Amino acid sequence: GAVVSQHPSWVICKSGTSVKIECRSLDFQATTMFWYRQFPKQSLMLMATSNEGSKATYEQGVEKDKFLINHASLTLSTLTVTSAHPEDSSFYICSASRDPNSPLHFGNGTRLTVT
Amino acid sequence: AQTVTQSQPEMSVQEAETVTLSCTYDTSENNYYLFWYKQPPSRQMILVIRQEAYKQQNATENRFSVNFQKAAKSFSLKISDSQLGDTAMYFCAFMILPGDDKIIFGKGTRLHILP
Repeated sequence: GAVVSQHPSWVICKSGTSVKIECRSLDFQATTMFWYRQFPKQSLMLMATSNEGSKATYEQGVEKDKFLINHASLTLSTLTVTSAHPEDSSFYICSASRDPNSPLHFGNGTRLTVT
Repeated sequence: AQTVTQSQPEMSVQEAETVTLSCTYDTSENNYYLFWYKQPPSRQMILVIRQEAYKQQNATENRFSVNFQKAAKSFSLKISDSQLGDTAMYFCAFMILPGDDKIIFGKGTRLHILP
């Protein structure tokens, strides 16, 4: 069964509102979680690395004030898209592992549509 | 439920050799996409190749090709003339389209290209 749960699987919101996406590791503690964004027919772009108990590490070009990441516990990381705009519409995927040497498990993704 | 299985956790081949990574999946759906992603140490997920299930012709991208066997639900990746830069983690993934927007990953195969 799934070891990483991502919620919601899809969400539609109005421009200017904020949306929160959750990523949970179900049967292991994940000190590190990763957030990706998929563009149509393209690779998954790593947005940020979420570290439990500390600030997330954002990749170059990713606005940290727009994509707020909170890794408050060893089993939960959240990505909040603030003041969403239509160009933020995308497919967001999280992944998690127990430690850097352990297998990486992926969530099923969240389809965000901003109208 | 859909599943993706990569039966080879780790593989090693000599540079310039050809290597095949296996992937099988399980679904009752008829329309879907299959992907192979390459993950270097940077943790980015680089799309290597994509196959639409309705296409009988196997997808190819330069040195990368797939053997897509729909009836057998098999989607193996062949890397020809392997290069040192091909060393990475490779993930097979499956997505039902349209509408489901859920992506399912295999556990990955760590590929080492030896000089």
